[in-house]
Amino acid sequence: DAGITQSPRHKVTETGTPVTLRCHQTENHRYMYWYRQDPGHGLRLIHYSYGVKDTDKGEVSDGYSVSRSKTEDFLLTLESATSSQTSVYFCAISESRQDFGYTFGSGTRLTVV
Amino acid sequence: AQSVTQLGSHVSVSEGALVLLRCNYSSSVPPYLFWYVQYPNQGLQLLLKYTSAATLVKGINGFEAEFKKSETSFHLTKPSAHMSDAAEYFCAVSTLTGGFKTIFGAGTRLFVKA
Repeated sequence: DAGITQSPRHKVTETGTPVTLRCHQTENHRYMYWYRQDPGHGLRLIHYSYGVKDTDKGEVSDGYSVSRSKTEDFLLTLESATSSQTSVYFCAISESRQDFGYTFGSGTRLTVV
Repeated sequence: AQSVTQLGSHVSVSEGALVLLRCNYSSSVPPYLFWYVQYPNQGLQLLLKYTSAATLVKGINGFEAEFKKSETSFHLTKPSAHMSDAAEYFCAVSTLTGGFKTIFGAGTRLFVKA
């Protein structure tokens, strides 16, 4: 979607290295989310943000941290990558209310070797 | 807490046949319900949503879904499948008391045979 971009689109990294994924939006939406997608699990929420510097944990937050210093950027950091973090990561944005639905980025495919 | 169950990880239909993808939800408060579609190597795209207005919701590409509170279901249907409908479909639920989060089902992959 033109209003939300993720970078990089693909990344291969070694176990134990830090990795940062970036989500950038041009929609000025308040809410931003990081999900991971794995076969048989659908999408699972890692972290989310409800405003600049306001973030909270999702259901699978261990080993991940996030930062949001500007409305348009939401960064996901794997402090020390492990093979279990090999996944496809999606960023999503939404307007103020739960009934608006999400707009998703195109995803980042991360492989930890 | 809310949850979503999608029945069937894979569904196969012939082109022109009815598409039925099943979704059941669990929520102690009125839910908002969504269907998303994901084409290969792409992000999810909102197909339709139920937000307590009409119980029959029409979405893009000829899909529709009916909210049935008594059955806690929100099944997705399309009268006639097209080859371009082949994709993965996700049902999702959120609530006003669930924070700013949406919970997704495990997904159903739809195959369309010529």
